[in-house]
Amino acid sequence: AQSVTQLDSHVSVSEGTPVLLRCNYSSSYSPSLFWYVQHPNKGLQLLLKYTSAATLVKGINGFEAEFKKSETSFHLTKPSAHMSDAAEYFCVRGGYQKVTFGTGTKLQVIP
Amino acid sequence: DADVTQTPRNRITKTGKRIMLECSQTKGHDRMYWYRQDPGLGLRLIYYSFDVKDINKGEISDGYSVSRQAQAKFSLSLESAIPNQTALYFCATSGRDGYTFGSGTRLTVV
Repeated sequence: AQSVTQLDSHVSVSEGTPVLLRCNYSSSYSPSLFWYVQHPNKGLQLLLKYTSAATLVKGINGFEAEFKKSETSFHLTKPSAHMSDAAEYFCVRGGYQKVTFGTGTKLQVIP
Repeated sequence: DADVTQTPRNRITKTGKRIMLECSQTKGHDRMYWYRQDPGLGLRLIYYSFDVKDINKGEISDGYSVSRQAQAKFSLSLESAIPNQTALYFCATSGRDGYTFGSGTRLTVV
């Protein structure tokens, strides 16, 4: 079965330090991959998406992700965390019939 | 106006009651989905529809039913609500520009 695995359920960083949220996928071909963010009591917002055009994908709010086929990874990064980045992040795999969600990573930003 | 609108935003209902969650979209997408979100489990697919005449079960469809009244409307029903259906429910659409989610309906079954 096609799946995505988010390796950390919680990540805590200090404000101004880099953010790394890890995601691995299982597949025999290049998938469509997305990162979504969910702020408390809010819906899901698209951060960025990979659709095979470029391996380094830039998203909103300074986030980016790099697709690494050799590692089957699509990790989300940001050079400098901001307090407003505190939220839950979902790595998502798009497929023909449905989309598969990772279990989410809660990002805590410490002042 | 939001691209995907869910109503109600919050609902508390009693065990055994029938409840309907509604979703409407202005994206013009043919594909629509219902997901539920539970802490630590991510989002799980309940039902999906590729057009008005196409309805498909997702991974956790038991206890739920759906109706695709029009391209823009996709409703989810709980025929007899039970407490373990307490969750946050999301409607979504998909098209060439990706997936768009509603803001969610927080359902509590007491």
